[in-house]
Amino acid sequence: DIVMTQSPDSLAVSLGERATINCKSSQSVLYSSNNKNYLAWYQQKPGQPPKLLIYWASTRESGVPDRFSGSGSGTDFTLTISSLQAEDVAFYYCQQYYNTPYTFGQGTKLEIK
Amino acid sequence: QVQLVQSGAEVKKPGASVKVSCKTSGYTFTSSGISWVRQAPGQGLEWMGWISGINGNTDYAQKLQGRVTMTTDTSTSTAYMELRSLRSDDTAVYYCARLRYGSNCFDYWGQGTLVTVSS
Repeated sequence: DIVMTQSPDSLAVSLGERATINCKSSQSVLYSSNNKNYLAWYQQKPGQPPKLLIYWASTRESGVPDRFSGSGSGTDFTLTISSLQAEDVAFYYCQQYYNTPYTFGQGTKLEIK
Repeated sequence: QVQLVQSGAEVKKPGASVKVSCKTSGYTFTSSGISWVRQAPGQGLEWMGWISGINGNTDYAQKLQGRVTMTTDTSTSTAYMELRSLRSDDTAVYYCARLRYGSNCFDYWGQGTLVTVSS
């Protein structure tokens, strides 16, 4: 199984400041035949299901604000929120869909400082 | 618009079974798969498996093999997840999610179904 490890486990950032969450996979999730990274980021607020933010490691889902961006390739990935808004307080999860089992990171709790 | 609507909360005794439904609408059911993900109280997300909407093929998480069965009813565009021999550590919110065609990321989610296992 591919193990996904996020860092940090929790993060407190001031409103308007940048937030960065890292995700590392135990093996590459880059599929060489199409040069795509099978990596997604989800946001989950209390009492709600997860919401897809980013897929293919860097493609923003329709309707997601452009302050959210994803980067990285192979085994190391980053989710960046360029200017933190109050509504961004949530848990964030990375997930690989390279092969089954489709594993998630343990989650990062993002709070306002 | 795409919607996934799940059945209501369940309370079960240890050793019992539960079957959760996920009724979909707003897209062609047979064009995508459905995955099931669970989340124990205060914990992260655990992938349980998925079922193809095209041919009903399944792939289950190894730790649940033998206890879980995922099925579909294409006539009603509904997916089902049955979990047997329930234990207290099966207490969780169970989500269904649509696999995006051509990607397999999870683009639409059901609202979740709380399954509580308690004697």
